[in-house]
Amino acid sequence: TQLLEQSPQFLSIQEGENLTVYCNSSSVFSSLQWYRQEPGEGPVLLVTVVTGGEVKKLKRLTFQFGDARKDSSLHITAAQPGDTGLYLCAGVNTGGFKTIFGAGTRLFVKA
Amino acid sequence: GAVVSQHPSWVICKSGTSVKIECRSLDFQATTMFWYRQFPKQSLMLMATSNEGSKATYEQGVEKDKFLINHASLTLSTLTVTSAHPEDSSFYICSARDLNRGNTEAFFGQGTRLTVV
Repeated sequence: TQLLEQSPQFLSIQEGENLTVYCNSSSVFSSLQWYRQEPGEGPVLLVTVVTGGEVKKLKRLTFQFGDARKDSSLHITAAQPGDTGLYLCAGVNTGGFKTIFGAGTRLFVKA
Repeated sequence: GAVVSQHPSWVICKSGTSVKIECRSLDFQATTMFWYRQFPKQSLMLMATSNEGSKATYEQGVEKDKFLINHASLTLSTLTVTSAHPEDSSFYICSARDLNRGNTEAFFGQGTRLTVV
């Protein structure tokens, strides 16, 4: 069974601080996505990383896929209250048919 | 991004009744749809994977006779919770992918909050 371990599970920081969320697995994924979910809504796709070592930037968010395609990180620079939400990493198995989610990181940014 | 519409957004039903949740891909053909269940403050747990025109594949521990999934067209999948009980109360979310285009990204519906009383 492929598992994704996501850490930390909860993070409360002040506006302007930086943070990093990690997603680790012992399995190789064909791709990995990061989602953000607001309460009572479905997850919204932020980014997809496919190539080992790939780095993608989305404004203040930087996503990295590990060289071996087993882990990923999300770094937020100068966090804002609007960044508050549940961040989920999701790995697509090597067959490409199943998406496995990490436990999620609940981020709260205080003004 | 692609749009996936889920209906209803919330539903309250009496214990013992059945509830149907629809998941539609509005601007693409969803060869594969996934159904997830999410408890408060927890992540998404995959319940089943459905491919258009074939039987759904259920994850271990998910009762296929209780959670009936139908994926009759490339734009619609339904999840029916049969003989619902209070412990079935949860947030149910569908996602859809177009594997024929090689896309691995999944796009999610807005979720359905089911409350069984």
